[in-house]
Amino acid sequence: ELKVEQNPLFLSMQEGKNYTIYCNYSTTSDRLYWYRQDPGKSLESLFVLLSNGAVKQEGRLMASLDTKARLSTLHITTAVHDLSATYFCAVEGAGNDYKLSFGAGTTVTVRA
Amino acid sequence: DADVTQTPRNRITKTGKRIMLECSQTKGHDRMYWYRQDPGLGLQLIYYSFDVKDINKGEISDGYSVSRQAQAKFSLSLESAIPNQTALYFCATSDSLAGGYNEQFFGPGTRLTVL
Repeated sequence: ELKVEQNPLFLSMQEGKNYTIYCNYSTTSDRLYWYRQDPGKSLESLFVLLSNGAVKQEGRLMASLDTKARLSTLHITTAVHDLSATYFCAVEGAGNDYKLSFGAGTTVTVRA
Repeated sequence: DADVTQTPRNRITKTGKRIMLECSQTKGHDRMYWYRQDPGLGLQLIYYSFDVKDINKGEISDGYSVSRQAQAKFSLSLESAIPNQTALYFCATSDSLAGGYNEQFFGPGTRLTVL
């Protein structure tokens, strides 16, 4: 069974500083997805990472994937208030089973 | 208009009642999924369907059933609702022609409360 672990689960950020969210998973996979969820809202796709060493960037967010370490990181640069949300990583099982296993989510609060 | 819609958006019901949650999509995707979200647990897969004739159980299918009425419609039923089925339910879709990966797109969610 594929297990996905995110840490930290809660992250209080100060505006202007940099932070990292970690996503570890238990079995081989080279397909990983990051989603954002605002309170009471749906999940919005942020990044799709499809190979070892993949790096994607959008604004103040950068995601990377190390399939050998079974680790993805979501780096937040110069945090601002509108990045407050819950961030989920999801890993696609190996062997083309097309199912996603989600981490528990990291709830981010950015304070002034 | 939203690409993935869910009805109802909120529902309060009583223990033992039968409930149906509906999902429709205009994205033209062939794969559809039902998840439940509980605080601190991420999303758990209930059922998924890769085409109209294909239905598969996810990790927490007990107490739930589904129907894929058309490529664009996927319904989730709780035959006899119980309080621990109180949760936020999401429908999602993905496209098998998307280049070999499975980015999923989510509906707005249905908040279900079972008293």
